Amino acid sequence: EAGVAQSPRYKIIEKRQSVAFWCNPISGHATLYWYQQILGQGPKLLIQFQNNGVVDDSQLPKDRFSAERLKGVDSTLKIQPAKLEDSAVYLCASSLASGAYEQYFGPGTRLTVT
Amino acid sequence: GENVEQHPSTLSVQEGDSAVIKCTYSDSASNYFPWYKQELGKGPQLIIDIRSNVGEKKDQRIAVTLNKTAKHFSLHITETQPEDSAVYFCAASDSNYQLIWGAGTKLIIKP
Repeated sequence: EAGVAQSPRYKIIEKRQSVAFWCNPISGHATLYWYQQILGQGPKLLIQFQNNGVVDDSQLPKDRFSAERLKGVDSTLKIQPAKLEDSAVYLCASSLASGAYEQYFGPGTRLTVT
Repeated sequence: GENVEQHPSTLSVQEGDSAVIKCTYSDSASNYFPWYKQELGKGPQLIIDIRSNVGEKKDQRIAVTLNKTAKHFSLHITETQPEDSAVYFCAASDSNYQLIWGAGTKLIIKP
């Protein structure tokens, strides 16, 4: 079974530029999560989707971050404009359903904002 | 809301010895407690988990114990090997099935 796929793996941008990350969850997984992981910390949830609907985006900085999950499969996370403090690893995870606890993670995208 | 504390932040053990990492949580309604292993440049990998109706769970060299009364749970790794070197995270579920994460423990296995 293929795992969670993410691209790109690395991205370097200047502040005020925009960037987008892509995630393809495990086949059949209805729930998709985007996390931000700052170096030396645990993952912080940004947004949770159930199929193509948003379950929770309370910690998403909506003035600069946006995410969508069209057709309930792939998802994209966008940052516009980026700030220095957005430098982090962006992790995508999926689970079978909203009531399923087990989350499976992709390799992440390491973003550096200069 | 839920808060998870994890100790120690760094743990260095001799190869072959045991390692124990401890976490405490604040929300008595939490009922799922996973442990993840994160190697450099990779995403977290689920290695073992436990639910609130179980006190202990074991999978080969890895075990997790849960004390619901005291609201703490621990990861035990026996006969440590070099490949066990990584950052380990504990987490606890909140009532919305979302995970609240500890800050991580860097485990170093000395040869």
